Amino acid sequence: KAGVTQTPRYLIKTRGQQVTLSCSPISGHRSVSWYQQTPGQGLQFLFEYFSETQRNKGNFPGRFSGRQFSNSRSEMNVSTLELGDSALYLCASSLAGGSGDTQYFGPGTRLTVL
Amino acid sequence: AQSVTQPDIHITVSEGASLELRCNYSYGATPYLFWYVQSPGQGLQLLLKYFSGDTLVQGIKGFEAEFKRSQSSFNLRKPSVHWSDAAEYFCAVGTETYKYIFGTGTRLKVLA
Repeated sequence: KAGVTQTPRYLIKTRGQQVTLSCSPISGHRSVSWYQQTPGQGLQFLFEYFSETQRNKGNFPGRFSGRQFSNSRSEMNVSTLELGDSALYLCASSLAGGSGDTQYFGPGTRLTVL
Repeated sequence: AQSVTQPDIHITVSEGASLELRCNYSYGATPYLFWYVQSPGQGLQLLLKYFSGDTLVQGIKGFEAEFKRSQSSFNLRKPSVHWSDAAEYFCAVGTETYKYIFGTGTRLKVLA
């Protein structure tokens, strides 16, 4: 079974631009979560989607948004990029997203904001 | 407040030596606990997980972890470390609000 895939793997943007990252979950998984990983803050939860509905959102500004499609694929968008948005963005999928549900992570998208 | 603490930021061990990575959690309900490993530039790979039952959990790559409720700990162990184990290790707790809370990670260096 194919794992979680994320595209693109690397992105370089400049301040003020916007960016869209994509995540394809493991087949049959309906929950998709996004995390931001930085050296200073570690792994921070962005949001979680299940059946096209956002069920939880982390403490990030409104510039960070996401959505999920009917095939469970998910995208996240960051508008008006800031230097501090440079990070590894990780997507994880699970069957249903409960507390005991195992999350499987993709390789991440490395975003660099210049 | 819900939290996960990994007290050791860096650990260095010699190849063949034993390893223990510490993890303490704070969570009001029954915890679902996970250990992940991350190689440079890669995503997170699941090593093992604890849901209930036997408090000693076996994982991949020869790792095991022991859940101790009285100490709120879930320490990861390996009897003999290999050079390929050099990576960053993350402990996490699954929450009822559909997210994991991660520790800050422990970076493992293995000396030949």
